[in-house]
Amino acid sequence: AQSVTQLGSHVSVSEGALVLLRCNYSSSVPPYLFWYVQYPNQGLQLLLKYTSAATLVKGINGFEAEFKKSETSFHLTKPSAHMSDAAEYFCAVSPHSGGYQKVTFGTGTKLQVIP
Amino acid sequence: DTEVTQTPKHLVMGMTNKKSLKCEQHMGHRAMYWYKQKAKKPPELMFVYSYEKLSINESVPSRFSPECPNSSLLNLHLHALQPEDSALYLCASSEPSGGNEQFFGPGTRLTVL
Repeated sequence: AQSVTQLGSHVSVSEGALVLLRCNYSSSVPPYLFWYVQYPNQGLQLLLKYTSAATLVKGINGFEAEFKKSETSFHLTKPSAHMSDAAEYFCAVSPHSGGYQKVTFGTGTKLQVIP
Repeated sequence: DTEVTQTPKHLVMGMTNKKSLKCEQHMGHRAMYWYKQKAKKPPELMFVYSYEKLSINESVPSRFSPECPNSSLLNLHLHALQPEDSALYLCASSEPSGGNEQFFGPGTRLTVL
């Protein structure tokens, strides 16, 4: 079964500093990979996704992620943190399948941005 | 319209009550999902409907009963729930083919007394 591991349940950064949230996947073949963000008491919103078209994926709100097959990683980065980035971030994996997406989420990383 | 709506936003019910959660999308998506999310945990998949047919039931207890009346609507019927069923219930939809993002609704916060 495919899975993702997010290193660090809590990450704190200063406003303006680099954001790095780590995600490693487990799969025999490169799957589809996603990063979602969840603000308190809200649903999830897609930040970006990897579908094998390009290894460097740019998403919304200045976030990007790089797919590294050799490291089985899909880390999320943002050059400069903003207070509004404080939220829960989930890495997710989905196998190649038709008809629907069976997405498995990582355990999440809570990002705190310190003014 | 890229919105998934869920009603109600909050629901409090007793263990003997029967209630329903509703989800609606108008993006033409043919796959719809129910997730359960406990506090400080990731969403857990409960059910998947693809082309209005139940494709996945992740061994969910029968006190949860999903229904897909048409391609835009998804219901979750609740009966004889337990306090441990209290959680945020999220609905999502997507295009059915691989690699497509899921669009999530804001969720229904359920409390079982």
